Amino acid sequence: EAEVAQSPRYKITEKSQAVAFWCDPISGHATLYWYRQILGQGPELLVQFQDESVVDDSQLPKDRFSAERLKGVDSTLKIQPAELGDSAMYLCASSSAGASSGQQFFGPGTRLTVL
Amino acid sequence: AQSVSQHNHHVILSEAASLELGCNYSYGGTVNLFWYVQYPGQHLQLLLKYFSGDPLVKGIKGFEAEFIKSKFSFNLRKPSVQWSDTAEYFCAVNARDSGYALNFGKGTSLLVTP
Repeated sequence: EAEVAQSPRYKITEKSQAVAFWCDPISGHATLYWYRQILGQGPELLVQFQDESVVDDSQLPKDRFSAERLKGVDSTLKIQPAELGDSAMYLCASSSAGASSGQQFFGPGTRLTVL
Repeated sequence: AQSVSQHNHHVILSEAASLELGCNYSYGGTVNLFWYVQYPGQHLQLLLKYFSGDPLVKGIKGFEAEFIKSKFSFNLRKPSVQWSDTAEYFCAVNARDSGYALNFGKGTSLLVTP
């Protein structure tokens, strides 16, 4: 069964350092989402891509966060500089177009700890 | 804007007890509704979903949920829980006009004791 891949699974960094997370969606899925899940809360959308275009990045803290999906396949989420409050699980999800586009498939996430 | 409210943040049940987790949403248009589960150390998995049709939907592992449009609710149920159901449960909604991005509730932590 196809899965969404994410790496690294865990990342520990110091405050003010740069970090990057990678996501490879299920093959053929045009829509890719990045969510952030703070401990004890539900995931919250950071950015949504349709192919290589950003559809919604209204909740992305653009002063420090950036996201790209250059060829419309895999995606990278970057934080520079990292802050203590960025400690969270970063989840990537993908979905296909069409009638089933309401359903998303999630990767295992990257757990970020900022010291 | 959509919002999702889960009524119980922590639930403790004994094995074989019945489960009902409440979920209400606010949104004026047509929505899709989901329950996701996150077992300890694992990633989010879809339990069940409602897009249209029969408002009583059945999911994996004996879970079911009922969509009551008039109450904006989508409560999750299971007649008899098992220890292996210990997990975090998230209700979520999405809609076409928000690009199908999921809006999650804060989650309910379920602990099933032997």
